[in-house]
Order: sequence, then structure tokens, then C-alpha cells
Amino acid sequence: LAKTTQPISMDSYEGQEVNITCSHNNIATNDYITWYQQFPSQGPRFIIQGYKTKVTNEVASLFIPADRKSSTLSLPRVSLSDTAVYYCLVGDKGGGFKTIFGAGTRLFVKA
Amino acid sequence: GAVVSQHPSWVICKSGTSVKIECRSLDFQATTMFWYRQFPKQSLMLMATSNEGSKATYEQGVEKDKFLINHASLTLSTLTVTSAHPEDSSFYICSARDLQGTDTEAFFGQGTRLTVV
Repeated sequence: LAKTTQPISMDSYEGQEVNITCSHNNIATNDYITWYQQFPSQGPRFIIQGYKTKVTNEVASLFIPADRKSSTLSLPRVSLSDTAVYYCLVGDKGGGFKTIFGAGTRLFVKA
Repeated sequence: GAVVSQHPSWVICKSGTSVKIECRSLDFQATTMFWYRQFPKQSLMLMATSNEGSKATYEQGVEKDKFLINHASLTLSTLTVTSAHPEDSSFYICSARDLQGTDTEAFFGQGTRLTVV
């Protein structure tokens, strides 16, 4: 399973766009990139998944460059409720058969 | 998305007793379920992979005799923490996938907070 590296923490203000970048230099050809969000004392929640270029849903956008060695989760106009830990996973569809989690990025949104 | 339900949401037990945690997939058949443990301010740590009808596969360092996993049906997996001790206090989370279906992501339960006193 490809290892991922993310910033440990990020701060932002309400209404701003937040971009969280994840490095995955050893990503395999068949690997997808999946992002999860976790609030305290809750299970992770799927945000978005992509293979290449750009993917957008009602919650976020995922940008993947051509070499796929990194990816950027973009959260538009964050609110206080977006304060959470965000995990980037690389593997087969679903973040890998075992869905191994890295350290994640703790996002803190301020008023 | 699909729903995975864990029960109980929290439990307090005395040291030396056993605790069972249930993980149910409510609207899909989970051929494979995963159990995680999470300590405060840390990431999720995979404990074991549970396949329906077969023995669970445990990650290195996880005691299979202490953390008993049963996946008797396509919608239910249980984790039993045997002879619990205070160091077993943690947040336990399950996830489920239908590897024979078209779902692309793993679905997680809401977690179970175990406190051993």
C-alpha cells in the first residue's frame, strides 16, 4: 500500500477555501485516491475519490496532477462545522482493501 | 451512502470482564468488515479483517485471543474484548465493504467508546 504524507494541522477562517495536499510518491497504477473526514468520537465519513485530473462533488473537489504523486483536497468556503481530521488514502477503490489510515490533517476553522 | 451501525455507542465495564461490540451493515451485504482502534488524537489503527464465514485475519501485534472477531453473516460482525483491562480503553470503529458489488468506498460505523475501569 502506498504511503501518504499530509500536513499534521491547518488553520483557516470561515468562508475561506482550504486546500489540503497529500503526497503519495509510490502510488501504483491501479490505485485510487480517497479522502475521508472524521469528527471527534465519530467514524470516518467518505468525502471524495478520484483517479486522475479533477473530481468534484457537492462537498469538495479533488485535484490530481498527471504524475499522480500528489493530490489536493479543496474545500470551498469552509464553515466552523468543517473542523475535523481529514485523511488521504491510496489504494484500490475504497482506499485499499484494508483501508489503512495515515496520520491525517487536523483542520481547525476559526470564526 | 450505505449505512453501517455499531452497538453500543459507548460502554463502561469492569476490569476482567468481556465486552461485545456489534457492527451491522443495514442496507448492503458486507462480505468484508474491518475493525479499528483509535486512541485520543491518533489515527485509526487497523486491528483485523473479518471475512464472512471464515476466520478473521489479525494485524501484527493484535492478540487474536483477546480480541475475538466473529463474522457469522453478511450483515453482522462482532468484536469481543475479552478480560478487558484499562489499557484496552479506546474508541473502536468498524467498517464494511461489499467487495462483490460496485461500491467504491468503505462505510464506517459511528464507533464505540470503551472505558474499562
